[in-house]
Amino acid sequence: EKVMTQSPATLTVSSGERATLSCRASQNVNSNLAWYQQKPGQAPRLLIYGASTRATGIPARFSGSGSGTEFTLTISSLQSEDFAVYYCQQYNDWPLTFGGGTKVEIK
Amino acid sequence: EVQLVESGGGLVEPGGSLRLSCSVSGFTVSSNYMSWVRQAPGKGLEWVSVVYSGGGPYYADSVKGRFTISRDNSENTLSLQMNSLRPEDTAVYYCARGPHSSSWKGFDYWGQGTLVTVSS
Repeated sequence: EKVMTQSPATLTVSSGERATLSCRASQNVNSNLAWYQQKPGQAPRLLIYGASTRATGIPARFSGSGSGTEFTLTISSLQSEDFAVYYCQQYNDWPLTFGGGTKVEIK
Repeated sequence: EVQLVESGGGLVEPGGSLRLSCSVSGFTVSSNYMSWVRQAPGKGLEWVSVVYSGGGPYYADSVKGRFTISRDNSENTLSLQMNSLRPEDTAVYYCARGPHSSSWKGFDYWGQGTLVTVSS
């Protein structure tokens, strides 16, 4: 099983600032990596797939990069609606696995 | 409009069974990979199972041998039969399309979730 490790667990930033979230895979997952945003009481929302492709309707301030074992989600200028928990997930192999999440909170 | 609506959650005693359903509109389950993902209270996401044409199904080790995923193409629904339930199965269960639809892209549509509580 591929273990996905996200860091930091909590990221405290101000509105308008840049946020950088990391995700590391225990083994190569190529570019088969997705990022999700989840707000309290809501289902997750797909942000990024293929490590760097924005899903339909996702604003350009969200960008993804990386391949292999190291991945990054960048939010270029945080808006109030971006404060949430973010998860990475690999779909290179079964079982599919998620990272533990990064909570982005307001400074 | 795409909609996934789960039902069937509730309170069940350890060792008991429960069957979850997910009614889908806006696309056909038979043409897509369909998965269940769960989230224990206050915890992260855990993939549970997937069903698709031409392969699978696959299960997380934590549920293998106890849970069975299936789909009804005529009703366009996805189901999860859960047997021998344990307290650690307590979670919100989401049905989701993916990780493949027109391409490999993760889970692009999700239901609102149904809560399963396993407790005596």
